Amino acid sequence: GENVEQHPSTLSVQEGDSAVIKCTYSDSASNYFPWYKQELGKRPQLIIDIRSNVGEKKDQRIAVTLNKTAKHFSLHITETQPEDSAVYFCAAIKNDYKLSFGAGTTVTVRA
Amino acid sequence: NAGVTQTPKFQVLKTGQSMTLQCAQDMNHNSMYWYRQDPGMGLRLIYYSASEGTTDKGEVPNGYNVSRLNKREFSLRLESAAPSQTSVYFCASRRQGAATEAFFGQGTRLTVV
Repeated sequence: GENVEQHPSTLSVQEGDSAVIKCTYSDSASNYFPWYKQELGKRPQLIIDIRSNVGEKKDQRIAVTLNKTAKHFSLHITETQPEDSAVYFCAAIKNDYKLSFGAGTTVTVRA
Repeated sequence: NAGVTQTPKFQVLKTGQSMTLQCAQDMNHNSMYWYRQDPGMGLRLIYYSASEGTTDKGEVPNGYNVSRLNKREFSLRLESAAPSQTSVYFCASRRQGAATEAFFGQGTRLTVV
């Protein structure tokens, strides 16, 4: 099955700095790569996604890049703010149905 | 429009007991999922149902069974609970297609003693 690896497991950044989270996937049949944010005690929610035919996508302070050849994708958060503190999960979808997640990155933004 | 609803929110079981976690969605989604979330291990896929009438194993199916009762409902059953199944369980659903968002329920915190 699909194996999604995510690094780092924890990330502490100064407010205003950038944060980068990296993921790799194993199955070249994966064709969609969403990112979810989970605040403490809440359910995961989609923040950005990218399809396999796109190399980069931006939405205000967050961006995602995809390298299909290397089978890795990354989340970039610029100008971090305290409300960016959360657990972030990368994911990959295989064959339109099987949605597998990485182990998560706990991001802490220091004031 | 409630989205994805899970019941119960909290449950304590004794080792060997059985129980069923319920999940229902009102978004007319085809695909539904069950995950467990443990510290440091992310969201691990237990079972999924691509559409009504089909179910498939995920990464950690042992000790669990599922039923896709109809398009709305997807239940997860623990036949003989073990302490290793102590976890937070999330149900999710998605519209059919590759690039569609998954919506999660609020989670069920299960403790097996």
